[in-house]
Amino acid sequence: SSELTQDPAVSVALGQTVRITCQGDSLRSYYASWYQQKPGQAPVLVIYGKDNRPSGIPDRFSVSSSGNTASLTITGAQAEDEADYYCSSRDSSGTGIFGGGTKLTVL
Amino acid sequence: EVQLVESGGGLVQPGRSLRLSCTGSGFMFGDYAMNWVRQAPGKGLEWVGFIRSKTYGGTTEYAASVKGRFTISRDDSKSIAYLQMNSLKTEDTAVYYCSRSIFYYDFWGGHYYMDVWGKGTTVTVSS
Repeated sequence: SSELTQDPAVSVALGQTVRITCQGDSLRSYYASWYQQKPGQAPVLVIYGKDNRPSGIPDRFSVSSSGNTASLTITGAQAEDEADYYCSSRDSSGTGIFGGGTKLTVL
Repeated sequence: EVQLVESGGGLVQPGRSLRLSCTGSGFMFGDYAMNWVRQAPGKGLEWVGFIRSKTYGGTTEYAASVKGRFTISRDDSKSIAYLQMNSLKTEDTAVYYCSRSIFYYDFWGGHYYMDVWGKGTTVTVSS
């Protein structure tokens, strides 16, 4: 089955822009979806598809994709954006997959 | 308000069984595929499986790690999805989340995302 690879940790200065990447063969067929998880809380969908945000998600979150790589960009990171971020997709066998997660620290 | 609530977690001995429930409200439960996702202590998210809506056959898919031991079912009349877990192992210890998912294909490719999540229920497998 396919895997999704993420950098374990990324940091960004308050108000700056950060990119979190996700790589995997399944992303050639399926768009990635991205989830934010804060300690002790359930994951929250922050972006999906070409560049769709659920209601209530700030527009500083955006996504791009090319080939086997999807990238979540936070433009003007805020303190409340500090969290774990997971990408997800579906592999060729029809099962769901998650990346290992990226811990975002806002300095 | 659209909501999912998991229940049924607890402490169970290795080799025993446990059934989790996920109750939906605020939306047409039967119209959606329902997923189970787990998170072991200090670890990342792991997709467990899903059940399609009856419109798409109500069929199921499972992660290799649980296939043959776990079974997902649904009762749309009660807006409940179940996760039957048999032959539990210590490595099944995790918070178990249910989620609602949407998947489809369009001109640009496949889309699969989980837009509503429950708060989770904790399963501890230990002797």
